[in-house]
Amino acid sequence: GQQLNQSPQSMFIQEGEDVSMNCTSSSIFNTWLWYKQDPGEGPVLLIALYKAGELTSNGRLTAQFGITRKDSFLNISASIPSDVGIYFCAGQRPGTTDSWGKLQFGAGTQVVVTP
Amino acid sequence: DAGITQSPRYKITETGRQVTLMCHQTWSHSYMFWYRQDLGHGLRLIYYSAAADITDKGEVPDGYVVSRSKTENFPLTLESATRSQTSVYFCASSEIGQTYEQYFGPGTRLTVT
Repeated sequence: GQQLNQSPQSMFIQEGEDVSMNCTSSSIFNTWLWYKQDPGEGPVLLIALYKAGELTSNGRLTAQFGITRKDSFLNISASIPSDVGIYFCAGQRPGTTDSWGKLQFGAGTQVVVTP
Repeated sequence: DAGITQSPRYKITETGRQVTLMCHQTWSHSYMFWYRQDLGHGLRLIYYSAAADITDKGEVPDGYVVSRSKTENFPLTLESATRSQTSVYFCASSEIGQTYEQYFGPGTRLTVT
């Protein structure tokens, strides 16, 4: 089952505010991915992180790979209405070739933006 | 450039019937995956495939069958549908290498009555 704890579960914010969410685990990961899912659609990859401490931006989105390798953070600056959706973290644990490609997913953070 | 497509997008079937969900990708990615998404459970891996004719079970494989005769196609079959299989099903693909990025299809919403 899921071994990633994603928080918060939901956020209600006003347009223009910044958003922060995180994903933690008791295990180390060698990859962190952040996805966004719009209603009725599949998850879309936003940011990929591959090194501990790495900080990567994609427009108003910034994600960080925690230095302990057990967590990751996603920030959205100056939110706009189209930021509404569910944001998922996903991680790849180091292991054998049998585990290659198998991602573990967080439960998601529902973001609602009000004008 | 279609990327990854799923069909049908919506399906209603009766308990006990066989249902096949289709997944097609145009990237020639080696890896393909099937997930189901349910409230309270997030995304759970059903089956995955590392290449044509190579498949393996994920977290929740019971009641499902997969095949992969061609790299671009990865159908998922529910041999005898049950109400507990009512869910949204997502197919994803990934290329072998140093990255683990998976790219998802739009999903199939399946209702078993």
